[in-house]
Amino acid sequence: ETGVTQSPTHLIKTRGQQVTLRCSSQSGHNTVSWYQQALGQGPQFIFQYYREEENGRGNFPPRFSGLQFPNYSSELNVNALELDDSALYLCASSKQGDEQYFGPGTRLTVT
Amino acid sequence: DAKTTQPTSMDCAEGRAANLPCNHSTISGNEYVYWYRQIHSQGPQYIIHGLKNNETNEMASLIITEDRKSSTLILPHATLRDTAVYYCIVSPPMNTGFQKLVFGTGTRLLVSP
Repeated sequence: ETGVTQSPTHLIKTRGQQVTLRCSSQSGHNTVSWYQQALGQGPQFIFQYYREEENGRGNFPPRFSGLQFPNYSSELNVNALELDDSALYLCASSKQGDEQYFGPGTRLTVT
Repeated sequence: DAKTTQPTSMDCAEGRAANLPCNHSTISGNEYVYWYRQIHSQGPQYIIHGLKNNETNEMASLIITEDRKSSTLILPHATLRDTAVYYCIVSPPMNTGFQKLVFGTGTRLLVSP
């Protein structure tokens, strides 16, 4: 157990809809990162937030957006869902100088 | 693209040591070697990391060659619960203000009775 929690566990959405995924960081961690893992592949970096600001982004379109709150919890929002957005979404929390610790993920299915 | 190369799969007998190799010939001076593993349908689990010295913790040992172009993760007494995909990643540490972990396809380790 890493102390990183994510909700919901599973989610089914229809193409074109919007979705919000949530992540609660481990106590004391001020950095959160989001990753997308398609079936059979390794996780791909989406973006990272540090002290409520995005400080790095991977090769994902603007319809992928996020927020980090003062308590360092985080949200990932995806607009205009596409079938290819079906994946396991992982968040990882960390503090400066420490390793990233992953949550169990949210399985998103887009139909 | 991932900066590491790992075998696609490996087998190991329960109770024996599992030695998982990783090549990272283009590693930069400020990059560490990190190992994570992912058990089916779970989030990746941090195992160990190192810069140039060998490292050991309660889970595993990490041996890094002197030229830092390759490393080996050692699970000294593999159990069935060690069956997972193991990822070797090179990255600057988080204390540089930003850390993006670039996962490759990893090594699928199967531990058998």
